[in-house]
Amino acid sequence: QLQLQESGPGLVKPSETLSLTCTVSGGSINSSSYYWGWIRQPPGKGLEWIGSLYYSGRTYYNPSLKSRITISVDTSKSQFSLKLSSVTAADTAVYYCASMFRGLYDCWGQGTLVTVSS
Amino acid sequence: ETVMTQSPGTLSVSPGERATLSCRASQSVSSNLAWYQQKPGQAPRLLIYGASTRATGIPARFSGGGSGTEFTLTISSLQYEDFALYYCQQYNNWPSWTFGQGTKVEI
Repeated sequence: QLQLQESGPGLVKPSETLSLTCTVSGGSINSSSYYWGWIRQPPGKGLEWIGSLYYSGRTYYNPSLKSRITISVDTSKSQFSLKLSSVTAADTAVYYCASMFRGLYDCWGQGTLVTVSS
Repeated sequence: ETVMTQSPGTLSVSPGERATLSCRASQSVSSNLAWYQQKPGQAPRLLIYGASTRATGIPARFSGGGSGTEFTLTISSLQYEDFALYYCQQYNNWPSWTFGQGTKVEI
């Protein structure tokens, strides 16, 4: 059974870069059937798609965040990562990684809260 | 970008009652519409895909309908465990997989 787990710092200073990693287990990150995505949820608010990645390295980003995002994959470690630069308090959120099958988010990590504060 | 708009923002119902949630897309998404349920402190869970197909293990009291730009999620007889947040998501107009803003179903 596919499992995903986010990891990374829970506190990031304003203007710095947020870095998170998602470790995939119970399935292959090289699967041609899946995309891998990052979604965030600010406290008390809704879900926002950040970006997605195919195992080949092809990436797709939310246009509103595109200038600050880098999503990459390390197939040898069965991991994919998110970097979000120049963060502000507005980037405080629970960050989820998820597998995407035919566009559906079918398996989610538990989420990790990242707070942007000095 | 396809904008997804859900209504109402909050739906107050009693256990055993029927709840109907709406989702509207700013452009056609065909039947490529999914619904997710999120409980406090948990990740969302896939309920419905293809506008009307229940995901594995989802009770029959959940049903979805619609196509194009107008969609509904109906919970036929609310159970206590159904009080949660519900999000719609389009996956037709990729590579932008956008969510609605959510509907809270409360007692």
